[in-house]
Amino acid sequence: GAVVSQHPSWVICKSGTSVKIECRSLDFQATTMFWYRQFPKQSLMLMATSNEGSKATYEQGVEKDKFLINHASLTLSTLTVTSAHPEDSSFYICSAPRGNVESPLHFGNGTRLTVT
Amino acid sequence: AQSVTQPDIHITVSEGASLELRCNYSYGATPYLFWYVQSPGQGLQLLLKYFSGDTLVQGIKGFEAEFKRSQSSFNLRKPSVHWSDAAEYFCAVSPSGGYQKVTFGTGTKLQVIP
Repeated sequence: GAVVSQHPSWVICKSGTSVKIECRSLDFQATTMFWYRQFPKQSLMLMATSNEGSKATYEQGVEKDKFLINHASLTLSTLTVTSAHPEDSSFYICSAPRGNVESPLHFGNGTRLTVT
Repeated sequence: AQSVTQPDIHITVSEGASLELRCNYSYGATPYLFWYVQSPGQGLQLLLKYFSGDTLVQGIKGFEAEFKRSQSSFNLRKPSVHWSDAAEYFCAVSPSGGYQKVTFGTGTKLQVIP
C-alpha cells in the first residue's frame, strides 16, 4: 500500500488565493521530504527540500515566498502556493525516503492544481 | 553535475512483445540508479534500483535493468509486455550516498497495442 499520502489529489482555485497541499508519511518518520513540480509531458523538477524542524532548502529559481513549505512534524510536510496565478497550475508531487540514506524515494500520488 | 538522458520520448510495442527502454547517465562516479513508473495522474512507483553489486537487477512487475559502466547506461527491459504496462517511465540518478538530489530523465511514454 501507499507509504506516502498526498492531499488533495486535485484542487481548483481562483487567481490570488492560496492553496495548501499536504504530504504525509504513513508508517514511518521522514525528517526530509521533497517537493517536485511536473509540467505536462515533462519530467519532475525538484522545487525544494523540506526539513523537519528547520527551514526548507529551495532550488535555484524557486520563489520561497510564493511556495511556502512547513515541516512541523516527522510525518507531515505542507506546501502552500500563495497568491496563486494561472502559471502556477501544474502537478505537484512530494516524496520521502523511507529508512536509511540508501533508501529510494516513495512518492505521493500528486496534486493537480488548476488556477483559474 | 549529474544528468540523465532518455532518448526515446515515446515507444509503442505490441502486447506480448519484448521491451527495452534506454537510459544514459552522466556522473563522475558510480551513481545510484533508479527506474520509476508513473501512471496518468499518479505519483511515481519504484520499479528497481541499482546501488552496487550484480549489474543485472530485478524489479517488480517482471522488469529488469542492466547497469553497464562502459556505456554509462541503465536500460530497462521486460521480456513480454502487458497492456497494463502502458505508462510513463522515468530513469533517475543520484550521487553515491542515496536519495539526495535525485535527477530524473525526461521520461519515456510507453504505449501498448493489442
